[in-house]
Amino acid sequence: NAGVTQTPKFRVLKTGQSMTLLCAQDMNHEYMYWYRQDPGMGLRLIHYSVGEGTTAKGEVPDGYNVSRLKKQNFLLGLESAAPSQTSVYFCASRPPGDLSSYEQYFGPGTRLTVT
Amino acid sequence: AQSVTQLGSHVSVSEGALVLLRCNYSSSVPPYLFWYVQYPNQGLQLLLKYTSAATLVKGINGFEAEFKKSETSFHLTKPSAHMSDAAEYFCAVSSPSGGGADGLTFGKGTHLIIQP
Repeated sequence: NAGVTQTPKFRVLKTGQSMTLLCAQDMNHEYMYWYRQDPGMGLRLIHYSVGEGTTAKGEVPDGYNVSRLKKQNFLLGLESAAPSQTSVYFCASRPPGDLSSYEQYFGPGTRLTVT
Repeated sequence: AQSVTQLGSHVSVSEGALVLLRCNYSSSVPPYLFWYVQYPNQGLQLLLKYTSAATLVKGINGFEAEFKKSETSFHLTKPSAHMSDAAEYFCAVSSPSGGGADGLTFGKGTHLIIQP
């Protein structure tokens, strides 16, 4: 099993450009999450999904959109990138059910720079 | 709303010394609590978790943490630091309601430095 993979690993965008980050998991997990990590801020939840075709907003959803068309994939889109979106983005997944039983598995991250 | 406070953005200890990383939480209901470790340029790995069973929780790599409700704390300790413990450590909290589907709330992280 590859676990949770993220594409791309690095990207540089100009302000106003758009892009999509791809998260894929091969563990048949129902729940998937997108976080951003900024220095001194820890990780903050952007959006999450509890199943194919469903998404919900997290703590910092503005400027991002997501889609979960297939169970194994969770896409994070930036329609018009801004320098404030420079960050490291992490995807995570886990099985459904109580969090006491199932940990979140994290991908390796995507480092995005917006100039 | 729930929150996590990690005291000390950087902690430096000598190799072989006690490691103590502090975490205090705020939650309106009894929480689930987690410690994650992040090595340079990698994702997060679960060290240990508290989910209302034993208050003293043992994790991987010799780490343990004790849940103290009266102090709203979940401090991480290791008796003897090793050079390989140098990493970023995150404390996180989740509410048991809804099974925790809506993700984790993380602290800002503590960078652990091990001096030879």
